[in-house]
Amino acid sequence: QVQLVESGGGLVKPGGSLRLSCAASGFTFSDYYMSWIRQAPGRGLEWVSYITSSGSIIYYADSVKGRFTISRDNAKNSLYLQMNSLRAEDTAVYYCARVGYYDSPDYWGQGTLVTVSS
Amino acid sequence: DVVMTQSPLSLPVTLGQPASISCRSSQSLVYSDGNTYLNWFQQRPGQSPRRLIYKVSNRDSGVPDRFSGSGSGTDFTLKISRVEAEDVGVYYCMQGTHWPWTFGQGTKVEIK
Repeated sequence: QVQLVESGGGLVKPGGSLRLSCAASGFTFSDYYMSWIRQAPGRGLEWVSYITSSGSIIYYADSVKGRFTISRDNAKNSLYLQMNSLRAEDTAVYYCARVGYYDSPDYWGQGTLVTVSS
Repeated sequence: DVVMTQSPLSLPVTLGQPASISCRSSQSLVYSDGNTYLNWFQQRPGQSPRRLIYKVSNRDSGVPDRFSGSGSGTDFTLKISRVEAEDVGVYYCMQGTHWPWTFGQGTKVEIK
């Protein structure tokens, strides 16, 4: 069955960096686009970034453009999110999601919490 | 960005009764290929979101048939024909027609 397991979250000071990872299994990772979506505590969902299966096309939300970098390693079945210059407003649970047919997130991981605080 | 507006934001429902959630977009969600990329997600307490409906009205595998989606253009609805206890949670609409993807604020469904 499809499994997405995020890791790498934690407490970081404003201006700091963090790298999130998402280990995928149960499907052919290299065939699928992937995405990161976040949810601030007690708030709604916000799309963060998207990457095609080969990594040739990447999109970012304006709120993270220039600070976050999405990447993938198809040989390792893994998705990454490098987060630099973190701000308090980046505090959220970050979900890794598979982009299924019809270009929509059809499977989500359990999420990893990123807290940006001094 | 396309703004997705859900109503109501809170929906107390009696078990066994129907429930309906509205989602309106600030622009048409019809893509150039003729498809409408409107999705519905359920987030139960303490869980990750789960997709229920894609392309307006298509149920995902394993989703009970008491859930149905309808609508067109800018106006969409998620209906639960008879609410069960396991349906408690927050429901989000999401558009995938225009970049960036955007979500509604969420509708909290609770049992009266």
